Amino acid sequence: DAEITQSPRHKITETGRQVTLACHQTWNHNNMFWYRQDLGHGLRLIHYSYGVQDTNKGEVSDGYSVSRSNTEDLPLTLESAASSQTSVYFCASSGGARNNEQFFGPGTRLTVL
Amino acid sequence: RKEVEQDPGPFNVPEGATVAFNCTYSNSASQSFFWYRQDCRKEPKLLMSVYSSGNEDGRFTAQLNRASQYISLLIRDSKLSDSATYLCVVNSPNYGQNFVFGPGTRLSVLP
Repeated sequence: DAEITQSPRHKITETGRQVTLACHQTWNHNNMFWYRQDLGHGLRLIHYSYGVQDTNKGEVSDGYSVSRSNTEDLPLTLESAASSQTSVYFCASSGGARNNEQFFGPGTRLTVL
Repeated sequence: RKEVEQDPGPFNVPEGATVAFNCTYSNSASQSFFWYRQDCRKEPKLLMSVYSSGNEDGRFTAQLNRASQYISLLIRDSKLSDSATYLCVVNSPNYGQNFVFGPGTRLSVLP
């Protein structure tokens, strides 16, 4: 069955370190998204991609970067982790039109100390 | 003002009750509307899309009022398994037609 996976599921890191969160989907979807979820804010869009070599900034992109070298993967990098980036991160993908149903990965819980 | 707003709840209702959630959105150019469900510490999953004429899926009914920029979700005959957070989702021209999520409304169905 097609799926979307994230790794690691849990990560503890220190302020200032570079961290990369992996997202891999086997749906063959063109559209991929990264969100963070914090209490009181709901899910907020960090970055998104509509295809290989395409990346775009979302609502809360500062301090984050992504790259899309193939259809299946959209890794999220925190260049220099900050305590404000402690959050739960969800990756999602969708096929076809940009506003189609999105399928979410299980999430990565990141703690920055 | 947030682009999508919801009553955070929690709504605590007995099994068998009918419960309604409301959602308002600020961008009149939004064209796509959804309700997602999120269980505690899990990923969001699509519950249903919301169509202009309203739509029903079993015990769930969704309504859209474009003039008031208002979306609703009605759950009839609540089950214990309906306990979750319900997320109102709207596409936004501000972010390439991508989704904007409301903060969610938490529902607890009590035995």
